[in-house]
Amino acid sequence: DIQMTQSPSSLSASVGDRVTITCRARQSIGSYLNWYQQKPGKAPKLLIYAASSLQSGVPTRFSGSGTGTDFTLSISSLQPEDFATYYCQQSYTTPQTFGQGTKVEIK
Amino acid sequence: EVQLVESGGGLAQPGGSLRLSCAASGFIFSNYWMHWVRQAPGQGLVWVSRINADGRSTSYADSVKGRFTISRDNAKNTLYLQMNSLRAEDTAVYYCVRESGWPKNYFDYWGQGTLVTVSS
Repeated sequence: DIQMTQSPSSLSASVGDRVTITCRARQSIGSYLNWYQQKPGKAPKLLIYAASSLQSGVPTRFSGSGTGTDFTLSISSLQPEDFATYYCQQSYTTPQTFGQGTKVEIK
Repeated sequence: EVQLVESGGGLAQPGGSLRLSCAASGFIFSNYWMHWVRQAPGQGLVWVSRINADGRSTSYADSVKGRFTISRDNAKNTLYLQMNSLRAEDTAVYYCVRESGWPKNYFDYWGQGTLVTVSS
């Protein structure tokens, strides 16, 4: 299985801050990297697919980058509705493994 | 509008069985691979199983292999997960998920989840 490691596990930020979350794969996965947002009690929601493609309807303050083993999710100006947990996932091979999550909290 | 609605969760005893269902609508169900993903209370997301579009190919996480069976009825637009020999560690919210398909295979739609609790 391909292990996915996110950092940090949690962070505190203020509205308007720029936030960056990183995800590292144990082996190269090309651009088969996706990002999801999950709010408490809700299902995950796709934000970014194929490392850098913005899912339809997702605000443009979200962006993704990277290839191979190192990836980032950035939020350019944090909004109140962005406080949530974010997960990366590799879809390069089965099992499609997830990172452990990054919880973004209000400072 | 794509909708995935899970049902069948509840309380089961260790060693018992449950069958989860996922009713799909708003898209051509028979064209898509489908997955189950679970999330234990307070924990992260874990992939459980997947089935290809015609139901002939399946795959499972090691933790459920031999105990869970994924299947689908394309005529009824429904995905299933038969869960046998349940263990306490199977306690989780189970999500039905649609895979986007080739070439990038991301999970584009998720159901609301159904809670499975395994306890005596």
